[in-house]
Amino acid sequence: NAGVMQNPRHLVRRRGQEARLRCSPMKGHSHVYWYRQLPEEGLKFMVYLQKENIIDESGMPKERFSAEFPKEGPSILRIQQVVRGDSAAYFCASSPRTGTDTQYFGPGTRLTVL
Amino acid sequence: DAKTTQPTSMDCAEGRAANLPCNHSTISGNEYVYWYRQIHSQGPQYIIHGLKNNETNEMASLIITEDRKSSTLILPHATLRDTAVYYCIVRVYTGANSKLTFGKGITLSVRP
Repeated sequence: NAGVMQNPRHLVRRRGQEARLRCSPMKGHSHVYWYRQLPEEGLKFMVYLQKENIIDESGMPKERFSAEFPKEGPSILRIQQVVRGDSAAYFCASSPRTGTDTQYFGPGTRLTVL
Repeated sequence: DAKTTQPTSMDCAEGRAANLPCNHSTISGNEYVYWYRQIHSQGPQYIIHGLKNNETNEMASLIITEDRKSSTLILPHATLRDTAVYYCIVRVYTGANSKLTFGKGITLSVRP
């Protein structure tokens, strides 16, 4: 049973470009979470999604960031007009039944903004 | 979710047991204790969780005090690959609040 998949593993963007991070949950998991880890800091929750629905986006920056989890395909975290402060590791986690089940994390996408 | 406090760091010798403490004095009756670890910038890895009773799996044991205000994660035979940051997280197991709130964790260094 494959774990949570994230791609790309490393992403380099110039200021002002768009970044798209993809997350495929574990098989049978319908709940996805995104977390961000800034350099030398802890992990911070960003958003929690079920299929086609955003359940909790209390940790998402108000501008430039969006997330989706369509009926078919992976979850996408989209960052528009990236700035240097967006450089971080972005981790996706998934859980099986309800939002309160154990979350299993992917390997992360490391975003570098030049 | 209740706040947790952990020492900043600790070390232990390879092959010995590593006992990682965590205080959660304001824990509520419906909150579970979860442990994750992060090995050198990899994705966090789930270790174990529990409510009241002690728990054991293939990775570790979790000992929760009777008043539930503190707990200890035990790695019975630490190896060099157990060197990581270990996070103790208290989390409601029911309801819509599903996010994990990570603190600074404790850095465990296993020495040869």
